[in-house]
Amino acid sequence: GAGVSQTPSNKVTEKGKYVELRCDPISGHTALYWYRQSLGQGPEFLIYFQGTGAADDSGLPNDRFFAVRPEGSVSTLKIQRTERGDSAVYLCASSRGAGAGELFFGEGSRLTVL
Amino acid sequence: QKEVEQDPGPLSVPEGAIVSLNCTYSNSAFQYFMWYRQYSRKGPELLMYTYSSGNKEDGRFTAQVDKSSKYISLFIRDSQPSDSATYLCAMVKGGATNKLIFGTGTLLAVQP
Repeated sequence: GAGVSQTPSNKVTEKGKYVELRCDPISGHTALYWYRQSLGQGPEFLIYFQGTGAADDSGLPNDRFFAVRPEGSVSTLKIQRTERGDSAVYLCASSRGAGAGELFFGEGSRLTVL
Repeated sequence: QKEVEQDPGPLSVPEGAIVSLNCTYSNSAFQYFMWYRQYSRKGPELLMYTYSSGNKEDGRFTAQVDKSSKYISLFIRDSQPSDSATYLCAMVKGGATNKLIFGTGTLLAVQP
């Protein structure tokens, strides 16, 4: 596709449930990022992939959060035992490679935990 | 204290006004500075990207970096209603990562 694609665009779930959010980056982009944006805040870094491996997962808030990118393209962010505080927009971005360059963001997946 | 501070606004200006948006930061390790624009319910999109201290101009937009004061600015000339959005400053420490640290974002409304 032309841009970063994220699905679902909206997800409503109940506290304690498991959630998966998917990101399809721009073709050929080797670097992929997940950010979380709460209402009225800037995006907060979660994890960065270079290829298939997580190069930096220092932003994951706790072990309920996990992300994979098995073939170096599509990535899935997985959240176990969701809590109301997990409600936010989860943004995915990709870039051509590592190093300071332009990140292209998707429109985000809006997660609401009831 | 947050690494990047940005006044959240909201900021309301009449069409045609000059807009000044600012961020301060505390970590001198930041080397690259960006401004992103985010429309409601959309992802951020890159507006300006600067490395060194000084000014960079692109059309109606000018980005200014003062590393000695740890202060960056974005100026919008002849503001238009279509400029109404949230403006996010972002910065990165360099090296083999694009781990951007964002400000809170400033909500701008340009009134026709």
